[in-house]
Amino acid sequence: KQEVTQIPAALSVPEGENLVLNCSFTDSAIYNLQWFRQDPGKGLTSLLLIQSSQREQTSGRLNASLDKSSGRSTLYIAASQPGDSATYLCAVLNTGGFKTIFGAGTRLFVKA
Amino acid sequence: DVKVTQSSRYLVKRTGEKVFLECVQDMDHENMFWYRQDPGLGLRLIYFSYDVKMKEKGDIPEGYSVSREKKERFSLILESASTNQTSMYLCASTPFGTGKTQYFGPGTRLLVL
Repeated sequence: KQEVTQIPAALSVPEGENLVLNCSFTDSAIYNLQWFRQDPGKGLTSLLLIQSSQREQTSGRLNASLDKSSGRSTLYIAASQPGDSATYLCAVLNTGGFKTIFGAGTRLFVKA
Repeated sequence: DVKVTQSSRYLVKRTGEKVFLECVQDMDHENMFWYRQDPGLGLRLIYFSYDVKMKEKGDIPEGYSVSREKKERFSLILESASTNQTSMYLCASTPFGTGKTQYFGPGTRLLVL
């Protein structure tokens, strides 16, 4: 059974710092992996989607990497800003499945 | 832009009440999902629909039912609300085919007293 873990559960950094959020999954037979952002009390916004054949995706200050063999993904945020404060969730879709398995998220606080 | 809307942002209901949560998407997506989100547990899939009148149980369907009479609308029904169904409920949709980006609604925060 696929399990997705995100550590730490919360993270506080000063503005301008480069940071990495971690996601691990137990079953490497994934179709894709997706990173989402969730603001308090709001729905989820897709940030990056990495297909299983890809190693990374980039969008602006965000870079997500995927290492299927080790069951890990990282989300790199460059030059963090207070507006980046949110919960970041990692989600995987297994090969042949229709269900997306979500991690519990990392709450990020960027202090000005 | 894809837009997924949910009928209520906040709801307060009493134990035993029948509760309807509605979700509407405007991009002709075939797939629609209902999740609940609880602190420390992440998102858990309740039900999934891949076409009108078609539904599949997710991981935690007990105490819930769904209805998809029209392609754009997916309703979640709590037949008899209980306090352990207090949660944030999120609806999502994706186009046909696997591995597509999920688009989420803003969520409904339900409190059952």
